[in-house]
Amino acid sequence: DSGVTQTPKHLITATGQRVTLRCSPRSGDLSVYWYQQSLDQGLQFLIQYYNGEERAKGNILERFSAQQFPDLHSELNLSSLELGDSALYFCASSSGGRSSVNNEQFFGPGTRLTVL
Amino acid sequence: GQSLEQPSEVTAVEGAIVQINCTYQTSGFYGLSWYQQHDGGAPTFLSYNALDGLEETGRFSSFLSRSDSYGYLLLQELQMKDSASYFCAVPGRGSTLGRLYFGRGTQLTVWP
Repeated sequence: DSGVTQTPKHLITATGQRVTLRCSPRSGDLSVYWYQQSLDQGLQFLIQYYNGEERAKGNILERFSAQQFPDLHSELNLSSLELGDSALYFCASSSGGRSSVNNEQFFGPGTRLTVL
Repeated sequence: GQSLEQPSEVTAVEGAIVQINCTYQTSGFYGLSWYQQHDGGAPTFLSYNALDGLEETGRFSSFLSRSDSYGYLLLQELQMKDSASYFCAVPGRGSTLGRLYFGRGTQLTVWP
């Protein structure tokens, strides 16, 4: 158990809908990262927040947005869903604005999103 | 950007030794990490090399040669539970130092 929690574990929805994925980082970790894992794209970085502020952006679509709240939990919002958005979405956390000295990030169990 | 190449799959028998290679092309280099992911599970950190040489952690070792932009993960005394995907990863640079760029992963299958 990494100490990172994600809800829900599974999500099934229809095209055009909007969903929210939630992540709580390890106690004391200020950085939260969101990754998308699909069969054809592998593990892709989406966005990073550090202590409530957006720190880095990756291949995140305009239909997707995220935020980190004062209690450091984070939410990833996916809207106008398409079939291709079906994937595993992972949240990870680390202690600092960059990963710890050994670059270790702690991953949550993921949310499996299926868009029908 | 950063790109990493690793074999898509390797197979081995229990008790054997297997090496998973990773070559990378990066603009700036801050170290090479390895993660393990069991089917349907979360990636978990295995090792990190910032400097050239071999780092050993139990049955797993990781090697880095910065001059060759190359590293490998060595798994010894393979067990069935080692069947998983293994990813090499490098951090971004500058303001994106925290993010990780992952290779496509190597699926290891261990046979009895």
